[in-house]
Amino acid sequence: DGGITQSPKYLFRKEGQNVTLSCEQNLNHDAMYWYRQDPGQGLRLIYYSQIVNDFQKGDIAEGYSVSREKKESFPLTVTSAQKNPTAFYLCASTLRMAGGTGYTFGSGTRLTVV
Amino acid sequence: EDQVTQSPEALRLQEGESSSLNCSYTVSGLRGLFWYRQDPGKGPEFLFTLYSAGEEKEKERLKATLTKKESFLHITAPKPEDSATYLCAVPWAGGANNLFFGTGTRLTVIP
Repeated sequence: DGGITQSPKYLFRKEGQNVTLSCEQNLNHDAMYWYRQDPGQGLRLIYYSQIVNDFQKGDIAEGYSVSREKKESFPLTVTSAQKNPTAFYLCASTLRMAGGTGYTFGSGTRLTVV
Repeated sequence: EDQVTQSPEALRLQEGESSSLNCSYTVSGLRGLFWYRQDPGKGPEFLFTLYSAGEEKEKERLKATLTKKESFLHITAPKPEDSATYLCAVPWAGGANNLFFGTGTRLTVIP
């Protein structure tokens, strides 16, 4: 079955440490997205990529980095520069001209700073 | 500025008590409005897409409607398994397929 796989489901980060969240899709979607979700807040866009080897900053990109070397993969690195990284992170994908279902989401990664 | 506002923030219903959730938007040139359901600790799941005023879509106990300024998600005779957060989203005016999400309505259905 096609879908998006995020891993790990839970991740713990020490102060000053970089961590990478994985996102893989086998839907042949062109565009991929990373969102952050905090309690009581909507989904906030971190980075997005419309095609391989190209990506753009979203509303809250500071302290995060991404790469898009393959169409299927869009990993997110949370760097030590991100001062408040504890949150639920969601990856999504869609065809370039979204219609129908809009995004397909992964099941999320919950990141906690310890 | 593009805006999506959902109300209420939270809603508690008795099982069988029908109600509606609201999503109002200020986006020029609407290119679709999306409804998603999100269970705790999971990613959102697609429910409906609406494209033009007057359009309606139904799925089991849910019906989504669209006007020029807002969308409603009507829940008829809800069951406890309908408890979830319901999100609406619209494409940015400036992005081909980037979605801007509301903050959601957290629905609790009490048996």
